[in-house]
Amino acid sequence: EDQVTQSPEALRLQEGESSSLNCSYTVSGLRGLFWYRQDPGKGPEFLFTLYSAGEEKEKERLKATLTKKESFLHITAPKPEDSATYLCAVQSPTRGGSEKLVFGKGTKLTVNP
Amino acid sequence: GAGVSQSPSNKVTEKGKDVELRCDPISGHTALYWYRQSLGQGLEFLIYFQGNSAPDKSGLPSDRFSAERTGGSVSTLTIQRTQQEDSAVYLCASSFRSEQFFGPGTRLTVL
Repeated sequence: EDQVTQSPEALRLQEGESSSLNCSYTVSGLRGLFWYRQDPGKGPEFLFTLYSAGEEKEKERLKATLTKKESFLHITAPKPEDSATYLCAVQSPTRGGSEKLVFGKGTKLTVNP
Repeated sequence: GAGVSQSPSNKVTEKGKDVELRCDPISGHTALYWYRQSLGQGLEFLIYFQGNSAPDKSGLPSDRFSAERTGGSVSTLTIQRTQQEDSAVYLCASSFRSEQFFGPGTRLTVL
């Protein structure tokens, strides 16, 4: 079965300290890789979709990149409001013949002022 | 509203009782998904609806779980004879293409 592993589990940064979150995946054929942000007590908020190696997407201080085995979420000069859990997921076939998202366990990011 | 809505936001029930969770998807989205998020675990797929087609129930963990979608819009997830291991956040998502948009979830606690 397709699998997603995220690292680190938790990351503490100072405001302005850039870093990257990792998402490693094992799939039979990549149909899409998704990044979400989840705040406590809320549902995941869609950030990016990537489909092929070499693809990059940007939104404000976030940039997502994709290789054949992993994806990175780069956070440039983060602010305290970037604190959240970041989830990575891949599109994967179900036993019933449709498709679902398979999620990693997430990286909890804390940005201190 | 503009987003996916779910109700109730919190539900506390006693072991053995039945519960119903509701999801209102984004208008015009033909696909609807239910996921479960347990403490320390990733989101787990439960069931998928696409238009008027038969649902994909392959992720339901037991026959105590069922779901329906009326008129291609609102969906209800029913858990019968709840057990303590059913305690989790139940999330609904809808999509038009590949991106899934999630609701705020229902936190279910089974005592």
